[in-house]
Amino acid sequence: KAGVTQTPRYLIKTRGQQVTLSCSPISGHRSVSWYQQTPGQGLQFLFEYFSETQRNKGNFPGRFSGRQFSNSRSEMNVSTLELGDSALYLCASSLDGPDTQYFGPGTRLTVL
Amino acid sequence: GNSVTQMEGPVTLSEEAFLTINCTYTATGYPSLFWYVQYPGEGLQLLLKATKADDKGSNKGFEATYRKETTSFHLEKGSVQVSDSAVYFCALRRKDYNKLIFGAGTRLAVHP
Repeated sequence: KAGVTQTPRYLIKTRGQQVTLSCSPISGHRSVSWYQQTPGQGLQFLFEYFSETQRNKGNFPGRFSGRQFSNSRSEMNVSTLELGDSALYLCASSLDGPDTQYFGPGTRLTVL
Repeated sequence: GNSVTQMEGPVTLSEEAFLTINCTYTATGYPSLFWYVQYPGEGLQLLLKATKADDKGSNKGFEATYRKETTSFHLEKGSVQVSDSAVYFCALRRKDYNKLIFGAGTRLAVHP
């Protein structure tokens, strides 16, 4: 069974731009969660989507948003990029409800 | 609140040495506990998990036991290999909430 895939793997943007990251979960998984990893803050939870609805949300500003499609694929959007948004963004999928999460390889975003 | 504390790294060992990485947690109720591993340039891989007190998770020679009385989930391996060099993350998840809370990570370097 294929794992979690994320595209693109690397992205370079400038301050003020917006960016969209994509995540395809493991087949049959309905929950998709997003995490931000930085050297200073470590791994932090952004949000979780389940059946096209945001079910849980972390403590990030409204510039960070997401959505989930009927096939469980998810996108994450960051608007008005700031230098501090440079990070590895990880997507994780799980079957249903609180369950073991499996991670993708991540998207490395660099904001210049 | 819920939190995870890991021993600071880096941990440097010779091949075939015994490994312990300490992890303690603070949580309401009885969370599920996880160890994830991150190799350079990659996402997180689930290493092992335990969902209730006294459970022992094991995989690839690594073990960890869920100790409710000491709120700990220490990772151990009897004989490390160079290929075990990576960053190890301890994490918890409440039973009713699909959000992982991670420790800061411990970098392990194994030398031949």
